[in-house]
Amino acid sequence: DAKTTQPPSMDCAEGRAANLPCNHSTISGNEYVYWYRQIHSQGPQYIIHGLKNNETNEMASLIITEDRKSSTLILPHATLRDTAVYYCIVNNAGNMLTFGGGTRLMVKP
Amino acid sequence: DTGVSQDPRHKITKRGQNVTFRCDPISEHNRLYWYRQTLGQGPEFLTYFQNEAQLEKSRLLSDRFSAERPKGSFSTLEIQRTEQGDSAMYLCASSSFKGLAGVKNIQYFGAGTRLSVL
Repeated sequence: DAKTTQPPSMDCAEGRAANLPCNHSTISGNEYVYWYRQIHSQGPQYIIHGLKNNETNEMASLIITEDRKSSTLILPHATLRDTAVYYCIVNNAGNMLTFGGGTRLMVKP
Repeated sequence: DTGVSQDPRHKITKRGQNVTFRCDPISEHNRLYWYRQTLGQGPEFLTYFQNEAQLEKSRLLSDRFSAERPKGSFSTLEIQRTEQGDSAMYLCASSSFKGLAGVKNIQYFGAGTRLSVL
């Protein structure tokens, strides 16, 4: 599986959009981009995934660049409850997920 | 719809003792995964099952670790002769795998079992 690079930490003001970047320059054509988050002392929570097109669900939006070498997770109106570690993962084989260090997002009042 | 359930949530044991954790996946999910997470790190893959068959094991899974999924439903992870380095959060996840590479195979995680070895 391809590796991903994320900034170790980010801050966001409550109510503002949080934009979390991820680089995956070695992604293969059949690999999906998945985003999970982990709130302290809980298991990872699935957020969203995509292949080529931008995706949106009730939690977030995922923007994937045309060359698929990077993506951005957008939380449109961040709340204090969105404070967590966010993991960007690329995966195609349907077996193990390879987690990197993730981005620790701190939403501040 | 119940999510992935793990039991116990916390386990404290003395070095050298054996421990067993249980994971109940989401009903009808055919794949079940075990991960381990140490403080400040992301989860690391240990092993996974498709139905009853254990299909892959990480080199992290030493001889002291054994996982089973006897009827293709719940799974157990046993650690024999625990060591202080085994202290970690043990996470279980499940998914409904349809057999096509790259197709949606979202893994849903339980809350984990936190093991402390004294």
